[in-house]
Amino acid sequence: KNQVEQSPQSLIILEGKNCTLQCNYTVSPFSNLRWYKQDTGRGPVSLTIMTFSENTKSNGRYTATLDADTKQSSLHITASQLSDSASYICVVSPANSGYALNFGKGTSLLVTP
Amino acid sequence: NAGVTQTPKFQVLKTGQSMTLQCAQDMNHNSMYWYRQDPGMGLRLIYYSASEGTTDKGEVPNGYNVSRLNKREFSLRLESAAPSQTSVYFCASSEWVGENTGELFFGEGSRLTVL
Repeated sequence: KNQVEQSPQSLIILEGKNCTLQCNYTVSPFSNLRWYKQDTGRGPVSLTIMTFSENTKSNGRYTATLDADTKQSSLHITASQLSDSASYICVVSPANSGYALNFGKGTSLLVTP
Repeated sequence: NAGVTQTPKFQVLKTGQSMTLQCAQDMNHNSMYWYRQDPGMGLRLIYYSASEGTTDKGEVPNGYNVSRLNKREFSLRLESAAPSQTSVYFCASSEWVGENTGELFFGEGSRLTVL
């Protein structure tokens, strides 16, 4: 069973609108939680990395939140742009795990004009 | 400002053929990784190299071999390709942060089809 579940699987929004992507995880204990953006046909690019003690972290129009008690994270995108169309991947790093990372399957976001 | 460079970008093989995927990074990172990405699945680690001269198996190592040629280069070899190895392969690099992998920097991917 995947220890990182993302929802929704896919999402379509109008340009300029906000949206929120969800990540639920069962990895415990964990060291950090990451969000990556993957454009079609490209490699993933890091958006945010939050340690277990952080609640929120922003990167421009992207804001990630983390609730370690409920084991939930969200990625909020403000004033979406066409270039935000991509897959967004949630990744959880187990504590003292070394190389091991748990990847979600991603949420595919399409921003339409 | 290349970051992580992978070659080739596309490759079609017949079952039983061999090939090597090349990866190089120019960020002076100690750690390098090979992942595969399949539809409907998260990225899965094939092999990693924590530092020059060391390699270790990841989650799905069967059918693959790796070589950490030097600090910059980490290659992935398929000795006898199988259709199940049709996938997109990503090389990544990072520094080590405490007991964990630091921020990963990915290449653009190598799209492999095995017929």
